[in-house]
Amino acid sequence: DVKVTQSSRYLVKRTGEKVFLECVQDMDHENMFWYRQDPGLGLRLIYFSYDVKMKEKGDIPEGYSVSREKKERFSLILESASTNQTSMYLCASSRGFEQYFGPGTRLTVT
Amino acid sequence: QKEVEQNSGPLSVPEGAIASLNCTYSDRGSQSFFWYRQYSGKSPELIMSIYSNGDKEDGRFTAQLNKASQYVSLLIRDSQPSDSATYLCAVNEANSGYALNFGKGTSLLVTP
Repeated sequence: DVKVTQSSRYLVKRTGEKVFLECVQDMDHENMFWYRQDPGLGLRLIYFSYDVKMKEKGDIPEGYSVSREKKERFSLILESASTNQTSMYLCASSRGFEQYFGPGTRLTVT
Repeated sequence: QKEVEQNSGPLSVPEGAIASLNCTYSDRGSQSFFWYRQYSGKSPELIMSIYSNGDKEDGRFTAQLNKASQYVSLLIRDSQPSDSATYLCAVNEANSGYALNFGKGTSLLVTP
């Protein structure tokens, strides 16, 4: 079974803090994705990566950056957290088109 | 970005009935289609993928694809209360690599 883990289930941060969300997959998948999910807006793609050191912007990259130093690990960075980044953050990985999701991190920025 | 449309619901069906969930997409070049189930407070779980026109069955689930009409549907036979969840349709659009475009989901409620 594919296993995707995320560093925290719940996280509370203050406005202006730098926030790191980590995602690790154990299936040697090349592709990794970061989404946020908000009520009424659905899943929106923030960044994705098809290889180590590679990253591509998704639909809503503003305010975020990513890092992929190892194949199994994909980190999402909020450089200066803002209240409008309060959301559920979901990481996914895939070898082809079928994506498998981690449990998600519910981030609250106060 | 192209559109993936789903009726938000809630779709309410009695236990034992067939639940029919529909999804339309705007990109004619789309080739790969997926259904995810998401329970409240949980992450999406892949339940079906379909790549060619016609029906694909897996247990109580049947995915149907009609590329000419640009719709994909999910049928759940013998619906159970445990099927109550939000169902997300996802489409891999042409020239988008491995990225998926997700619909906003249909909420399904199966009543005992």
